[in-house]
Amino acid sequence: ETGVTQTPRHLVMGMTNKKSLKCEQHLGHNAMYWYKQSAKKPLELMFVYSLEERVENNSVPSRFSPECPNSSHLFLHLHTLQPEDSALYLCASSQSESGGEQYFGPGTRLTVT
Amino acid sequence: GENVEQHPSTLSVQEGDSAVIKCTYSDSASNYFPWYKQELGKRPQLIIDIRSNVGEKKDQRIAVTLNKTAKHFSLHITETQPEDSAVYFCAASPQEAGTALIFGKGTTLSVSS
Repeated sequence: ETGVTQTPRHLVMGMTNKKSLKCEQHLGHNAMYWYKQSAKKPLELMFVYSLEERVENNSVPSRFSPECPNSSHLFLHLHTLQPEDSALYLCASSQSESGGEQYFGPGTRLTVT
Repeated sequence: GENVEQHPSTLSVQEGDSAVIKCTYSDSASNYFPWYKQELGKRPQLIIDIRSNVGEKKDQRIAVTLNKTAKHFSLHITETQPEDSAVYFCAASPQEAGTALIFGKGTTLSVSS
């Protein structure tokens, strides 16, 4: 699969579990993003990374911890989540962080029980 | 910071009719305005975009107009078809570096045949 890939596609976890979401982009882009998409707040920006440095954190609770080891990979580490964290988590990438087309991955459907 | 308002939240049209979705933004320095289409169960994909130095852009049946003075932009779809049914998101990109796209809340378009 080319473009932006995400694994796993579906995840069910308990409130005490620790899991990680993975995103990989094959486009040579310099910026990567995490979005949360739920019925109440569609496409809510969580984190922005540019050249592996976090440039934006939109007041996201500390139970979400991003990691960007290189410009092609982005992780979202999850621990002690709440049921209201159940949502579709979308990763995206773009050439730079200051505007321009963003390419989205297929998303991870997360259910917290 | 930037705030994007999108209306209507739902829109139902008959096949062949036109559909118009409107967005307003708050940051006069924003300079990039994309529109994304998200079909059910799929990732958002860019369908058209416009930059602040252009007033109108057209691509086959879709067009986007921008009024910088009033700080609003609109998506126009002519000769709608059932496959146009999806959720459409507008977005604005603030000019300052390190800030990603700010999305509207989406419009669910239903085209009935």
